[in-house]
Order: sequence, then structure tokens, then C-alpha cells
Amino acid sequence: SQTIHQWPATLVQPVGSPLSLECTVEGTSNPNLYWYRQAAGRGLQLLFYSVGIGQISSEVPQNLSASRPQDRQFILSSKKLLLSDSGFYLCAWTPRRWRVNTEAFFGQGTRLTVV
Amino acid sequence: AQSVTQLDSQVPVFEEAPVELRCNYSSSVSVYLFWYVQYPNQGLQLLLKYLSGSTLVESINGFEAEFNKSQTSFHLRKPSVHISDTAEYFCAVKGTGANNLFFGTGTRLTVIP
Repeated sequence: SQTIHQWPATLVQPVGSPLSLECTVEGTSNPNLYWYRQAAGRGLQLLFYSVGIGQISSEVPQNLSASRPQDRQFILSSKKLLLSDSGFYLCAWTPRRWRVNTEAFFGQGTRLTVV
Repeated sequence: AQSVTQLDSQVPVFEEAPVELRCNYSSSVSVYLFWYVQYPNQGLQLLLKYLSGSTLVESINGFEAEFNKSQTSFHLRKPSVHISDTAEYFCAVKGTGANNLFFGTGTRLTVIP
């Protein structure tokens, strides 16, 4: 069966420090991978998605970047965190060819607090 | 482009009362519609989905949603809520040719004992 791992679960970082959140998927090949951010009172915002190694699409301009060094690994990064980067970050995956009977599968999330 | 509107950010309701969480979408193409539930400090779990066929879809824990194409709505309902239903609920839409899910801003359902 397929599983998705996301870590760390919680993170407190000072303003200006770097960030690296990791997400890995097991049990499937060639997934589409996604990073979402959930800010208080603002719902879920798609930040990045990837359809293959090295292929990253950015949905919103921001202080963050994403990379996909391996097929089932998706990394969210920042060189210098801002206070506004605080939020709950969710990684998700879907099959490459998203057929009608499938859904998006989410990790457990990382709560990032920038202080 | 697709978008989703959840008009109610918070819905308090007494235990065993009925509830409706509203969702409206806009899209220029055929869509698939989803409701996800998020319990505190957890990821999202699929609650139910509309792909095609019957416009009324049900979940295993008593929720149902009806796809209304003319009103572009996919409201979530439950005739009698439980304390354990307290969570945040997200409506989402996916265009048939798209790789992305677009989410609404969420509705926090609080069931009051």
C-alpha cells in the first residue's frame, strides 16, 4: 500500500533562519507531488506541485522554493524565513495519471512557527 | 480556472442536530468534487467525492453531499452530528484535465454537547 511521510511534525525557527521540510512517498512510482500551506483563517493554498524529477511549478510568488531530487521525494525550502511563513504545511501526492477513482493523499503536516 | 467558495468559516451546532456546510464552485470545465476532513494537527482525509453518476454521494460516517450543476454547489450535510464530527471541512474541485486540487478556505464545525 502507498504511504506518505512528512517530517518534522512541528518546528520552531527564528526569523532569518533556513528551512527544509521533507516529504517522501512509498509504494508508488511517478507520483504527482504537492506542497500546500494552511495559514490561520485562510484555508489551503497550493504552493508547488511537481509532475517529475526536477519539474517544479510554483503557484504563488513567495519566500519558499521546492525541489524534487528523487522520484518520490519532495522538499520545501527557504533560505531566510519570514514571520509570515508560519503555518501548517501539507505534502500530498496523486497518481501520475489521475484517474476518476483516485484521490489526493495527504501527509500528517508540519506546523511551522517562525519567531 | 477553478475556484471554490465556502461561505461559512465557522459553524457551531448542538449534538444530534442537523448540519449543512456550504460549498460553491466555479469552473469552465467538467469537474470532480471532494470533501476532505481535517482533525486537529492532522493531515486531510477524504470524506466523500463526486466523480460522475448519482448526484448524491455518501460517506461511511453519515455525511452526504449533493452535486447540483445548475447551482454549481456541493453542500455537505449530516442529519445528526456527533461530538466526534468536530473538525475542519474542506471542499475541493479538480478540473477533469488538471493536475491540481483547488480548495476552499474551510469550515470549522464545532459540535456542542
